[in-house]
Amino acid sequence: EAGVVQSPRYKIIEKKQPVAFWCNPISGHNTLYWYLQNLGQGPELLIRYENEEAVDDSQLPKDRFSAERLKGVDSTLKIQPAELGDSAVYLCASSTGLAGAEETQYFGPGTRLLVL
Amino acid sequence: DQQVKQNSPSLSVQEGRISILNCDYTNSMFDYFLWYKKYPAEGPTFLISISSIKDKNEDGRFTVFLNKSAKHLSLHIVPSQPGDSAVYFCAASARAGGTSYGKLTFGQGTILTVHP
Repeated sequence: EAGVVQSPRYKIIEKKQPVAFWCNPISGHNTLYWYLQNLGQGPELLIRYENEEAVDDSQLPKDRFSAERLKGVDSTLKIQPAELGDSAVYLCASSTGLAGAEETQYFGPGTRLLVL
Repeated sequence: DQQVKQNSPSLSVQEGRISILNCDYTNSMFDYFLWYKKYPAEGPTFLISISSIKDKNEDGRFTVFLNKSAKHLSLHIVPSQPGDSAVYFCAASARAGGTSYGKLTFGQGTILTVHP
């Protein structure tokens, strides 16, 4: 079974440029998460989707970040414009959505973003 | 406010010996706990979990202990192997609801090095 797929794996951009990350969750997983991981820290949730609905986006900086999951499968996370402090690893995870809060979340390899 | 803390940034053990990784939490709403392992350039991989109704869960070489009164959990790896060298994250979630429902709050991680 294929795991969570993310692309690109690495991205280098100049500040003020836009950037987008793509995630394809494990087949059949209804819940999708985007996390941000800064160097030396654990992942922090940005947004959680149940199917196509964003049920928790309280940690998403909405002035520059946006996300969508139009058909309840793939998802895109966008930053516009990027700032130097956005340099981090962006992780996507998915879970079945059937076990409530005892869900095991499965992570993709992440996209490492460097903003110059 | 760091709700999940891993106070040891690193741990070094000899192959065959026991590795003990510790984690403390402050949010009394947390009642489901997980350990993830992360290799460089990969996403976190689920290792083992424990619900607050238990105080121990075992899976092969990995055992997680939960002390609810102390708000403390630990991961024991016996015997440790060089392939266990990675960053270990503990994470917590709340089944009952509230702002931590359905989301994992991670510690900062502990780098484990197992020497041959």
